[in-house]
Amino acid sequence: AQRVTQPEKLLSVFKGAPVELKCNYSYSGSPELFWYVQYSRQRLQLLLRHISRESIKGFTADLNKGETSFHLKKPFAQEEDSAMYYCALRTSGTYKYIFGTGTRLKVLA
Amino acid sequence: DADVTQTPRNRITKTGKRIMLECSQTKGHDRMYWYRQDPGLGLRLIYYSFDVKDINKGEISDGYSVSRQAQAKFSLSLESAIPNQTALYFCATSDEAGNGELFFGEGSRLTVL
Repeated sequence: AQRVTQPEKLLSVFKGAPVELKCNYSYSGSPELFWYVQYSRQRLQLLLRHISRESIKGFTADLNKGETSFHLKKPFAQEEDSAMYYCALRTSGTYKYIFGTGTRLKVLA
Repeated sequence: DADVTQTPRNRITKTGKRIMLECSQTKGHDRMYWYRQDPGLGLRLIYYSFDVKDINKGEISDGYSVSRQAQAKFSLSLESAIPNQTALYFCATSDEAGNGELFFGEGSRLTVL
């Protein structure tokens, strides 16, 4: 079965501390993984995709096929990073997007 | 103007009523999706469409139907609303040839009493 798991519903960190939002997936095909973010009163929007291997707003995520993980990391959290973060898997062929349950990140001053 | 527009933004209705949520987009994308968001459950796919003649069920299509009236319009209907369909509904689009990015509407909050 295709599944995306985000084990943490809420993650609170202090400003300047490192952040890691966990994401694990289950998929038999070749996965495409994404992180989406929803800031307060804004639309869901793409943060980054594994295929680009880019850093956006200081966040990075590496696809680990052996561990079936795509954890989101940032070395120094900022207050403006507070938001809801969703990990998503796009299936090959059918191009469905399957989302995890989301993790709310709170960065404390 | 917003690229992906959902109407209504908020709706309160009663059990048994028929409800339609509409989505229109100006991005020229072929692919459109309907999701519902529930606390603790994340976003779950209801239906998706890759063109006007292509409609597919998602994870939780029971109790819902859709209509793709044109490339730019994708409507979600609840034929007989029930309280556990109270949720925030999102429409999204993507470009077939693109990089996989989904573009979301602002959401439609539906409350079924």
